[in-house]
Amino acid sequence: DQQVKQNSPSLSVQEGRISILNCDYTNSMFDYFLWYKKYPAEGPTFLISISSIKDKNEDGRFTVFLNKSAKHLSLHIVPSQPGDSAVYFCAALGSGNTGKLIFGQGTTLQVKP
Amino acid sequence: KAGVTQTPRYLIKTRGQQVTLSCSPISGHRSVSWYQQTPGQGLQFLFEYFSETQRNKGNFPGRFSGRQFSNSRSEMNVSTLELGDSALYLCASSLAVGGRRGYTFGSGTRLTVV
Repeated sequence: DQQVKQNSPSLSVQEGRISILNCDYTNSMFDYFLWYKKYPAEGPTFLISISSIKDKNEDGRFTVFLNKSAKHLSLHIVPSQPGDSAVYFCAALGSGNTGKLIFGQGTTLQVKP
Repeated sequence: KAGVTQTPRYLIKTRGQQVTLSCSPISGHRSVSWYQQTPGQGLQFLFEYFSETQRNKGNFPGRFSGRQFSNSRSEMNVSTLELGDSALYLCASSLAVGGRRGYTFGSGTRLTVV
């Protein structure tokens, strides 16, 4: 049962353009969402997060949008840079004091120069 | 400050053997979690420790176990290894249990079972 889904395995964009990575979830008990970036042979690196009480969080070139009614979140990267090429994971946390991250399957982003 | 350190980076074991993986969290971090990453299943939660106590456990068989020491360092053990245990095992640390302050991941231990 995939509670967090990233339906696009891959995405290719041109340098300078916007990258939009999508994530859907099924469990309405999730109340905190995180995005991680992962390069080969390295562990995931935390990018940005959002609480379920908000609908937008911005940090530099990265913005995460949350649509609770649709159980959908997206990560926008503007402008995209070749160094952004990596696998991006969406993850969710349930309410309460649990640190169990539920990850999506990941989306491989390629930013072409 | 130093990041999350996992040792060893690579490991090859034979079916039926057991293995112990080590994780040293960021200094001051008291929560340590373990994840398994495989091509088919993605990143899956194994367990979380805080102050030497297991706080959460994922859906893995009892062959997978862990512990945390008083200095917050953690080990995970897999007994009676199976081919399907071949994976990247990732450790993550955080200041507190719950994850809302973000987890910092190590580079992982690549386990190959032959």
